[in-house]
Amino acid sequence: QQQVKQSPQSLIVQKGGISIINCAYENTAFDYFPWYQQFPGKGPALLIAIRPDVSEKKEGRFTISFNKSAKQFSLHIMDSQPGDSATYFCAVFTGGGNKLTFGTGTQLKVEL
Amino acid sequence: EPEVTQTPSHQVTQMGQEVILRCVPISNHLYFYWYRQILGQKVEFLVSFYNNEISEKSEIFDDQFSVERPDGSNFTLKIRSTKLEDSAMYFCASMGDRAVETQYFGPGTRLLVL
Repeated sequence: QQQVKQSPQSLIVQKGGISIINCAYENTAFDYFPWYQQFPGKGPALLIAIRPDVSEKKEGRFTISFNKSAKQFSLHIMDSQPGDSATYFCAVFTGGGNKLTFGTGTQLKVEL
Repeated sequence: EPEVTQTPSHQVTQMGQEVILRCVPISNHLYFYWYRQILGQKVEFLVSFYNNEISEKSEIFDDQFSVERPDGSNFTLKIRSTKLEDSAMYFCASMGDRAVETQYFGPGTRLLVL
């Protein structure tokens, strides 16, 4: 069973602050590392993703940092907004396994 | 924008009954998945389906579960004899191209087994 460890479990950030969520994985066979955002009662929606041949990817206020040697990747949300309040899941994907394995989730609350 | 749709949005059933959850994946996608999420927990993989057959399944996906693509547009998950512990949110997902690797999720079906 592939494990993906995610931290923290919950996070409270002030509006305009930086939210940082971390994930660690065990197997080096993964070839795609997405982050999903989930609002209550909705399905997970892809937020941003990275492949292991790059160390950082930025899309707007969202950045993934990837450390292949440490088998860790993180999501940074700059200028956090109340609308960012949601649960965030990291995941790993291997084409060989043809499935996503999700982390345990981080509940983010951005306060005014 | 194309999206994955699922019906019903909510289903309540008695233990031991059969349920069928339905999904319409994005039209040109080739890979289909079912995941489930027990309330407050992480999303768990159940099964992947490609070229009209199961390509991988988890240990959760036992003989009580089956999947089918009956007509080229729908993708169904059947639970033959539901148990209390099957109560969860069930998500369908689809992916167009394995090289792209992006899975798009539907809004889910909340299943409650009494």
